[in-house]
Amino acid sequence: DIQMTQSPSTLSASVGDRVTVTCRASQSISSWLAWYQQKPGKAPKLLIYDASILESGVPSRFSGSGSGTEFTLTISSLQPDDFATYYCQEYNTYRSAFGQGTKLEIK
Amino acid sequence: EVQLVESGGGLVQPGGSLRLSCAVSGFIVSSNYMSWVRQAPGKGPEWVSLIYPSGKANYADSVKGRFTISTDNSKNTLFLQMDSLRAEDTAVYYCARASLTGMAVFDYWGQGTLVTVSS
Repeated sequence: DIQMTQSPSTLSASVGDRVTVTCRASQSISSWLAWYQQKPGKAPKLLIYDASILESGVPSRFSGSGSGTEFTLTISSLQPDDFATYYCQEYNTYRSAFGQGTKLEIK
Repeated sequence: EVQLVESGGGLVQPGGSLRLSCAVSGFIVSSNYMSWVRQAPGKGPEWVSLIYPSGKANYADSVKGRFTISTDNSKNTLFLQMDSLRAEDTAVYYCARASLTGMAVFDYWGQGTLVTVSS
């Protein structure tokens, strides 16, 4: 099974900051990677799929890059609504796997 | 408007059974790839099961032989029958629709239903 490892686990930042979250796969997954945002008590929300394609309605300050085993999620200018937990997900096969999450906190 | 509404969670003893339901509006369940995804407290999501439009089903190794996914087309509802429950099955269970881009990219989710397995 493919393992997904995110770093950091927690990230403290301020409104307006540019932040990057990294996700590494235990084997190559081409570009079969998605990013989700989750707020407490809510379901995950799809942000990006195929490593870099923005889901409809997601603000353009979110972007994704990478291929193979290393991927990044970047938020260009943090807004108050962005403080949440972010998960990467590989879908190389139907047995998709999620990372353990990166909690983005207000500094 | 698309809505997915889960129900059926609760407290159950180890070895017991529960049946989760996911009532869908806004699209046809049987025409889409549908999954159950669970999330244990403080953990990342974990894919549990997938049903294809053809009716074929796949399961995570951790639930294979114990859980069964199905749909009722007349009710436009997705189900998850969970038998021989274990403490490690404790989680919030979400139903999710796979986007048109891939069978495991989830663009619509329910609100979740909590399953607690404890004596």
